[in-house]
Amino acid sequence: ILNVEQSPQSLHVQEGDSTNFTCSFPSSNFYALHWYRWETAKSPEALFVMTLNGDEKKKGRISATLNTKEGYSYLYIKGSQPEDSATYLCAPMTTDSWGKLQFGAGTQVVVTP
Amino acid sequence: DARVTQTPRHKVTEMGQEVTMRCQPILGHNTVFWYRQTMMQGLELLAYFRNRAPLDDSGMPKDRFSAEMPDATLATLKIQPSEPRDSAVYFCASGLSGGVKDEQFFGPGTRLTVL
Repeated sequence: ILNVEQSPQSLHVQEGDSTNFTCSFPSSNFYALHWYRWETAKSPEALFVMTLNGDEKKKGRISATLNTKEGYSYLYIKGSQPEDSATYLCAPMTTDSWGKLQFGAGTQVVVTP
Repeated sequence: DARVTQTPRHKVTEMGQEVTMRCQPILGHNTVFWYRQTMMQGLELLAYFRNRAPLDDSGMPKDRFSAEMPDATLATLKIQPSEPRDSAVYFCASGLSGGVKDEQFFGPGTRLTVL
């Protein structure tokens, strides 16, 4: 079982503000990092898959960076909107995990108007 | 609109009863995952199939849980006998090849309550 840490556990953001949060994972045997977005009462949905050190991905106002050498990824939300409220999960995959994802506990984001 | 389906969506049962949850993966997907969402553990992997073969079920309590794929369109997760601590939301997800780029598509989940 991988040690995947996400911080903070939760955060409240005012509409229009930008925010970011962290996913930390073991850098050894790294293969890929997945980010998922999970809205309340719905199912997790994939946001990004990142593989290379220095990778940056963007989808609308949400972007992510990856540092495989030190084992962390940041997810950024620019100009937060109420519809961005969700729990954001990261899940690393290692070279010996046979396609399995080890999900972190998530960062719960609440955007208030 | 291809999506993973799960039945039932909600299940309330009494301790000791058998519970069977079903999942229909997206047509053409060859990997299926069963997850359990709990307050304590977050989203934990119970079992993982590729091409209908079980690859990893180390996250599953073996004495009462079993997972199977009778065919490519159906995956089942069975609990016998069920216990109150099994109360959780159970998600099924499917994907293609299980490769690094392949995202997992989650079903709507089965909310299980064991009284």
